[in-house]
Amino acid sequence: EIVLTQSPGTLSLSPGDRATLSCRASQSVTTRNLAWYQQKPGQAPRLLIYGASTRATGIPDRFSGSGLGTDFTLTISRLEPEDFAVYYCQQYGSSSPFTFGPGTKVDIK
Amino acid sequence: QVHLLESGPGLVKSSETLSLTCTVSGASITTYYWTWIRQPPGKGLEWIGYVHHSGNTNYNPSLKNRVTMSVDLSKNQFSLKLNSVTVADTAVYYCARDLMGSRWGQGTLVTVSS
Repeated sequence: EIVLTQSPGTLSLSPGDRATLSCRASQSVTTRNLAWYQQKPGQAPRLLIYGASTRATGIPDRFSGSGLGTDFTLTISRLEPEDFAVYYCQQYGSSSPFTFGPGTKVDIK
Repeated sequence: QVHLLESGPGLVKSSETLSLTCTVSGASITTYYWTWIRQPPGKGLEWIGYVHHSGNTNYNPSLKNRVTMSVDLSKNQFSLKLNSVTVADTAVYYCARDLMGSRWGQGTLVTVSS
């Protein structure tokens, strides 16, 4: 099983700041099958990025994903008020079970 | 636009079977893989498994063979059964489209009572 570790656990930033979230895998995620989700309280997660770097439909271009192998990054270039939420990474498609990371909470400083 | 809606009992007794259905509108159940994910209150996400209309399934081994997923083509629905539940199975259960969740249902809270 691939274990995903996300850091930091909490990121305290201000609107307009740049956010950099890390997701590290215990073994290589083949074919870059790595997704990022955003979840707000009381809501279902929303897909932001799949294939490590492809934005899902309707996702603003301030969200970007990068990485390969075992190290992946989600970057939010300029935080908007609606971006304060919990972010999860997930590896899928190549190594079952399709595990999630524990999440990074981005909160307002 | 694709819409997914989970339905089923909100309360299940310990040792019994949890049964949920996900009704899909705006997309054919034959076009994608379909996934179940759960989230215990205040905790992170856990992948339960996926089902394909061909009958192909893949379940999380952590659920120790308690899971069964199936597809009903006539109703454009897919379902989840989880046997021998315990209080540890209390969670919000989500259905989603694709191996990565490109669309999610709103989720349904299932509480297991002891």
